[in-house]
Amino acid sequence: GESVGLHLPTLSVQEGDNSIINCAYSNSASDYFIWYKQESGKGPQFIIDIRSNMDKRQGQRVTVLLNKTVKHLSLQIAATQPGDSAVYFCAESQASGYSTLTFGKGTMLLVSP
Amino acid sequence: DTAVSQTPKYLVTQMGNDKSIKCEQNLGHDTMYWYKQDSKKFLKIMFSYNNKELIINETVPNRFSPKSPDKAHLNLHINSLELGDSAVYFCASSQFGGGARNEQFFGPGTRLTVL
Repeated sequence: GESVGLHLPTLSVQEGDNSIINCAYSNSASDYFIWYKQESGKGPQFIIDIRSNMDKRQGQRVTVLLNKTVKHLSLQIAATQPGDSAVYFCAESQASGYSTLTFGKGTMLLVSP
Repeated sequence: DTAVSQTPKYLVTQMGNDKSIKCEQNLGHDTMYWYKQDSKKFLKIMFSYNNKELIINETVPNRFSPKSPDKAHLNLHINSLELGDSAVYFCASSQFGGGARNEQFFGPGTRLTVL
């Protein structure tokens, strides 16, 4: 079936750097995308979402970019901190009706002090 | 003040046994979910319940039987456990059954190890 995938399994950055985590999706029917953060030993935690009628959405230190032409999603984290170290997942869904989240493979972000 | 709680956090058992994992949410949400996360961190939906009714069953073996006594609880019972059932199981809840801005809140997970 169609799935969401990530390019990089591990991303290592220095504290203070900007981080970019990428995700490719293949389901053309998906119109709602979410990024989750999962810290070690915990459940995934919502970070930010975006609907397909937008190409950019900003939160606190995070920005999600959506390129529907190439079915690509990215999460940008500004001034990355050691507390940002976690596994990040993109997930896709449909914005209406009963629908489930289809998660990508996950990217581990390691932030060095 | 835990929003979504699961018990137990760790479960170690022998092949062939039957075990249950419990989940409770105090958010007043209508929809609850069970996910399985394998050793490669891949998260996959197993079941979704809305107001105690099963709405999604993602081709899960019938050894797995979810039960929702009320909309705040969704328990997972697993019969005849197999080695391949070893994983972390996450419960989640959301206000609605789908749609945009329908944030899912996840529990802390239950690590199941089948020996």
